[in-house]
Amino acid sequence: GNSVTQMEGPVTLSEEAFLTINCTYTATGYPSLFWYVQYPGEGLQLLLKATKADDKGSNKGFEATYRKETTSFHLEKGSVQVSDSAVYFCALSAHGSSNTGKLIFGQGTTLQVKP
Amino acid sequence: NAGVTQTPKFRVLKTGQSMTLLCAQDMNHEYMYWYRQDPGMGLRLIHYSVGEGTTAKGEVPDGYNVSRLKKQNFLLGLESAAPSQTSVYFCASSIRTGGPNTEAFFGQGTRLTVV
Repeated sequence: GNSVTQMEGPVTLSEEAFLTINCTYTATGYPSLFWYVQYPGEGLQLLLKATKADDKGSNKGFEATYRKETTSFHLEKGSVQVSDSAVYFCALSAHGSSNTGKLIFGQGTTLQVKP
Repeated sequence: NAGVTQTPKFRVLKTGQSMTLLCAQDMNHEYMYWYRQDPGMGLRLIHYSVGEGTTAKGEVPDGYNVSRLKKQNFLLGLESAAPSQTSVYFCASSIRTGGPNTEAFFGQGTRLTVV
């Protein structure tokens, strides 16, 4: 079956540090891949996405590249800010005739950025 | 812009009580979903709907029922609440699409505690 595995958190960084949150997936075919972010007390919102191999999604200084050969979609940011403190979810949506946009999520990684 | 609105935001139930969570979206989306979020497990799909009058089971449907009588509303019911249903519930919606790369829009969540 399809699944997503994220690195365990929490991740604590100082402001301006480099961020990597690992995400690997298992899926039949070629899924679309997403990163969602959940700020404290809020719902999830899409951060970035990639729909085919070698695509790079980017938004707000965050980037992730769809790596088919390693089945990975790691999230990176060169210089984090306190305002980036949130929970980050990697997710996939499978292609196919039965697709209905259902998302399969990783367990989430909590990021705390200290001034 | 309202987007996806969930009511209530918080609720405490006694074991065996029933309740209905309401989700309303104003984006004319075809697809709607109910997820539950539990620590260390990410979000898991409970039920979903691909259009008015349709519903289908997700990954963890037991103990829940849903209805989609109107396109803009998706109701999640708990007939006899159990402590295992203590969780944060998220509703989401997305447009009808021929592929899986469409963004899902999430509500702010309902925190339910069953005692």
